[in-house]
Amino acid sequence: SQQGEEDPQALSIQEGENATMNCSYKTSINNLQWYRQNSGRGLVHLILIRSNEREKHSGRLRVTLDTSKKSSSLLITASRAADTASYFCATDAGAGGTSYGKLTFGQGTILTVHP
Amino acid sequence: DGGITQSPKYLFRKEGQNVTLSCEQNLNHDAMYWYRQDPGQGLRLIYYSQIVNDFQKGDIAEGYSVSREKKESFPLTVTSAQKNPTAFYLCAIKSHVGFLGYTFGSGTRLTVV
Repeated sequence: SQQGEEDPQALSIQEGENATMNCSYKTSINNLQWYRQNSGRGLVHLILIRSNEREKHSGRLRVTLDTSKKSSSLLITASRAADTASYFCATDAGAGGTSYGKLTFGQGTILTVHP
Repeated sequence: DGGITQSPKYLFRKEGQNVTLSCEQNLNHDAMYWYRQDPGQGLRLIYYSQIVNDFQKGDIAEGYSVSREKKESFPLTVTSAQKNPTAFYLCAIKSHVGFLGYTFGSGTRLTVV
């Protein structure tokens, strides 16, 4: 089942602008992760935020988490053409046992950055 | 791709044929996962394994089978019972300690001909 719902499905911006992608989920989580996928390739881990954290930064990436609203956002500042990719949120319910570490992915946001 | 290798990159299957996708890792990670991705979609979990000789069904296990005889290897067989196997298949690994994220392979694109 797809836990995450991402918004928007597609985003087109100019180089230098900021890009914001949102993710909502349904059940309690241990952590939420964001991944990037270039066309036809595997996913690359970008950033992880734990359920007791509200905001995290990594380079040009800023992630927020609101567990009361069951939502997260990924902000990419000063975007570049090389940021063009699909971005996925993934939730780790951390239920323990055999479910430990199992991620549930959203459907993704396709970001296009025009030079 | 950082210690995880999927092969082949492209695979063609005839109707009624079983095919096996390979996933090998040299990072000594305990957990391995198989996901399926359809065009414009997110990833759906097929099977996963937390330790050798043990694996669990994911959300869409029907028509697939796996084995985990060695820590380094987690092959996925797409059987003839899988009626719509054309998709992009991704293998991922994860350590039980430290970093909580996945490391993905580069994927296998399976097409039915």
